[in-house]
Amino acid sequence: KQEVTQIPAALSVPEGENLVLNCSFTDSAIYNLQWFRQDPGKGLTSLLLIQSSQREQTSGRLNASLDKSSGRSTLYIAASQPGDSATYLCAVRRTDSNYQLIWGAGTKLIIKP
Amino acid sequence: KAGVTQTPRYLIKTRGQQVTLSCSPISGHRSVSWYQQTPGQGLQFLFEYFSETQRNKGNFPGRFSGRQFSNSRSEMNVSTLELGDSALYLCASSLDLGSSPYGYTFGSGTRLTVV
Repeated sequence: KQEVTQIPAALSVPEGENLVLNCSFTDSAIYNLQWFRQDPGKGLTSLLLIQSSQREQTSGRLNASLDKSSGRSTLYIAASQPGDSATYLCAVRRTDSNYQLIWGAGTKLIIKP
Repeated sequence: KAGVTQTPRYLIKTRGQQVTLSCSPISGHRSVSWYQQTPGQGLQFLFEYFSETQRNKGNFPGRFSGRQFSNSRSEMNVSTLELGDSALYLCASSLDLGSSPYGYTFGSGTRLTVV
């Protein structure tokens, strides 16, 4: 059974720092992994999608990596800004006939000005 | 390119009533998924529709149902509302199902409060 874990559950860092969010999954048989951010009371915004055959994806100050063999993905945020404050969730897409997304519980990130 | 549109944004209902939520996916997307999000349970999968057929279903009681129309728009219905149904209901669309490499795009959600 696929399980997705995000550690830490919460993180508070000063503005300008580089930081890494972690996502671990138990079954390496995935189609892809997607990172989202969610602002309080709002929907989810897709940040990066990494296919199972890829190692990393980049968008602006964000870089996501994928290591299927170890069951890990990281989201690297460079030069953090107060506007980056949000909850970050990762989700993996199963490869069985279900194809559902399996979600982590999220990391709540606070960037202090 | 319009995103995923969910209506209404906010809704207040009384216990025992029923409610219908609507989701219009991105043009060309054929897969629509529904999620319930609560502070205590996080994101929970309700169901996924593809080409008007329910393909996957989560572990929710039969009071939760949905459908998808030929234009890919989807509705979700909850009958006999309970206080515990108060949540943010999120809809997500994807281009395809199965071995699709495509990701999901979410709407802003419908905040349902049951009193």
